[in-house]
Amino acid sequence: KAGVTQTPRYLIKTRGQQVTLSCSPISGHRSVSWYQQTPGQGLQFLFEYFSETQRNKGNFPGRFSGRQFSNSRSEMNVSTLELGDSALYLCASSFRGDPGNTIYFGEGSWLTVV
Amino acid sequence: DAKTTQPPSMDCAEGRAANLPCNHSTISGNEYVYWYRQIHSQGPQYIIHGLKNNETNEMASLIITEDRKSSTLILPHATLRDTAVYYCIVRVGGSSNTGKLIFGQGTTLQVKP
Repeated sequence: KAGVTQTPRYLIKTRGQQVTLSCSPISGHRSVSWYQQTPGQGLQFLFEYFSETQRNKGNFPGRFSGRQFSNSRSEMNVSTLELGDSALYLCASSFRGDPGNTIYFGEGSWLTVV
Repeated sequence: DAKTTQPPSMDCAEGRAANLPCNHSTISGNEYVYWYRQIHSQGPQYIIHGLKNNETNEMASLIITEDRKSSTLILPHATLRDTAVYYCIVRVGGSSNTGKLIFGQGTTLQVKP
């Protein structure tokens, strides 16, 4: 069974640009969540989608957004990039999202903003 | 904020058991204890989880105290590849819970030859 797949793995963007990251969850998983990891703040929850609906959101500015498609694949978008957005962005999936269902992570997308 | 407290770092000799402690004194009855580890530059890897009973799988054992206020992750025969940051996470139960994990700073385990 394939794991959580994230693309692209590495990318470099310029301040002010926008970026879209993609995530394909494990087959059959309907809950997809996103995290940001930086050296200073550690791993922080961004948002979670279930059945195409956002049902939880972390404390991030509106420049960070996401969506989920009917096949459970998800994308996140960051607009007007800032240097501080440089981070490892992680996608995770689970069957439903409740605590009885384990959350599995992808390998992440490394974003560098210059 | 994370509901767990872990030592920032630990060392373990290769081949010996690694015992990683975690305090979660405010845990509620419907909250699970989850363990993940992260090897540098990779996504967190699920290890094990439990609610009340001790659990064991092919990777590790999880020992939860009877009052559930603390737990220990045991890697029975640590190898150099087990060097990683280990996160202990309390995950809220109930219908209000979603796929959200609150990570603390974790414990950096260094396995030495």
